Amino acid sequence: DVKVTQSSRYLVKRTGEKVFLECVQDMDHENMFWYRQDPGLGLRLIYFSYDVKMKEKGDIPEGYSVSREKKERFSLILESASTNQTSMYLCASRAGTESNEQFFGPGTRLTVL
Amino acid sequence: GQNIDQPTEMTATEGAIVQINCTYQTSGFNGLFWYQQHAGEAPTFLSYNVLDGLEEKGRFSSFLSRSKGYSYLLLKELQMKDSASYLCAVVDSNYQLIWGAGTKLIIKP
Repeated sequence: DVKVTQSSRYLVKRTGEKVFLECVQDMDHENMFWYRQDPGLGLRLIYFSYDVKMKEKGDIPEGYSVSREKKERFSLILESASTNQTSMYLCASRAGTESNEQFFGPGTRLTVL
Repeated sequence: GQNIDQPTEMTATEGAIVQINCTYQTSGFNGLFWYQQHAGEAPTFLSYNVLDGLEEKGRFSSFLSRSKGYSYLLLKELQMKDSASYLCAVVDSNYQLIWGAGTKLIIKP
């Protein structure tokens, strides 16, 4: 079974803090994704990565950056957290574009005070 | 623009059948997913349709009509554990997933 893990289930930070969200997958998947999920809205893509050291902006990249130094790990960084970044953050991985199914981690509920 | 529409909320009775609809307008089409998401948990895969027709998997079935930009998820013999949100997602021409906002399904005894 594919396993996608995220570093924290719940996180509380203060405005202006730098926040790191880590995601690790154990199935040698090439593609990894970061989404945020807010009530009444579909999952919105923040950034994705097709391979190591590659990154592409999604629909809402502003205020975020990412890092993929190793194939199994994809990090989301909030350079200076703001209250409007309070959300559920979901990481997903996919074998490659030939396999469309994405496997999700348990999510990190981030609250920015 | 790209758009996925599904009802916000539906209510059904335990043991009954419910159909959750999804209509889409996307740039290209390379398949449609249904995911289930229990409150506070990650989405989990239910079904994938790329050709027109009905795919059956136990109590759950999914239907696709590409010409109509339409899909539905059919849940039979509803159980209380089926209370969850059901997410429709379309794979677009860039092989990215475009997500609907989800349908919250409430099951009553």
